[in-house]
Formats: sequence, structure tokens, C-alpha cells
Amino acid sequence: NAGVTQTPKFQVLKTGQSMTLQCAQDMNHNSMYWYRQDPGMGLRLIYYSASEGTTDKGEVPNGYNVSRLNKREFSLRLESAAPSQTSVYFCASSVRLNTEAFFGQGTRLTVV
Amino acid sequence: KQEVTQIPAALSVPEGENLVLNCSFTDSAIYNLQWFRQDPGKGLTSLLLIQSSQREQTSGRLNASLDKSSGRSTLYIAASQPGDSATYLCAVGYSGGYQKVTFGTGTKLQVIP
Repeated sequence: NAGVTQTPKFQVLKTGQSMTLQCAQDMNHNSMYWYRQDPGMGLRLIYYSASEGTTDKGEVPNGYNVSRLNKREFSLRLESAAPSQTSVYFCASSVRLNTEAFFGQGTRLTVV
Repeated sequence: KQEVTQIPAALSVPEGENLVLNCSFTDSAIYNLQWFRQDPGKGLTSLLLIQSSQREQTSGRLNASLDKSSGRSTLYIAASQPGDSATYLCAVGYSGGYQKVTFGTGTKLQVIP
């Protein structure tokens, strides 16, 4: 049982480049989330998807876009990367909103 | 703005000791509270979820309590082991929308053999 799988695990981008972080879950969960984790700031919600076909902004959505491709997959796109987006990104899923959340292993992104 | 505080930021205890980790929140209108552990370079692992209507939850050597009136949750770890060494995070879910889930910055626990 893989749970929540994120790719890639590490990535270095140059300022202005774009990339997509992939996330897939095999637990038949309805809700999925993207967080970023920065030292001393705790996890902050970027976007979430309550169910297939819906997405909503979280606390820090600027500079990001998301796509809920199907029930299993939820991707996060950086259109023009900035050094301020250097962070560790986590994808998570849950049966529905506000239930127990399960996290992926994270993507460590560095923007130079 | 809701604030979630975890004190201390770091804790070191000898193996076998019982210990308590604290999570404080400023808004008592919570929906639920979840405790996680995070190992270095890894994702978060869910430990316990307490609904706002519950007072405590137990899983093995772990017991989490919730006191909404005082804005506090504690995670009790019995008979600590070196394998318990990790950072422990609490996340508070609030009524009024999922975007209001707020994470604490964690307590880094080291259990010394």
C-alpha cells in the first residue's frame, strides 16, 4: 500500500523556470492538499481539493496553480519560480475535509 | 488570526521516561486536532485525531487529550524509546472552512538510550 506518492523528491530550478509537482494517492480519498514547510513557520496550506473537480485556495496560493486531474492525482504547478518558493512541499489526502490526513514524503525544491 | 504554539521547541529525555508534549491554540472554536510525528527528511505520520466533542484518544503508548476551554492539547508518551525521537506537530482544524487548519511549529524530541 503506497499511500501518498510525490514526485520528484528533489528539484533545483532557476528563477523563472516552471515545473509541476506530482501527487497521487491510492487510498480512494476524496480530499487532497498541498502544503509548504519552511523553517520556523510550520506547514502552510497552498491549495486544496475537497473532491474531484473542485479546488480552492489556501493560506498562501500566490505563484501556484493546481489541477485535480482525477480522484487519485493532484498536481501543483509553479509557472515562474522565485527564490521565495524554495521550500519543502507536501501533498496530503484524507477521506473528506477535516478528517485524518495522510502525507507524502515531500519534495525539496530549491530555486536559485 | 488563529495561533498554535508548541512549547518547548526541543526536549531531551532519557529512555524509559514518561513525557508530555504541549499544544496551545488561541481560538476555542475548533473542529478537531491532529497530532503528527515527522522524522528528519520525511513526511508527516498521523498519530492521533481528536474531534472537538472528545476529551482524549489513545493509541498504544500514546494518549492525546483536548481541553477546548483552556485552548490546550497534550500528547502523553509512556515509557519513551529512542525510536520515539522525532519532531511532533499538532494541527488544529477550525470551524468555518478547511483553509483555517493551522499547524504548530513542532517539538523536537530526543530520547537518549
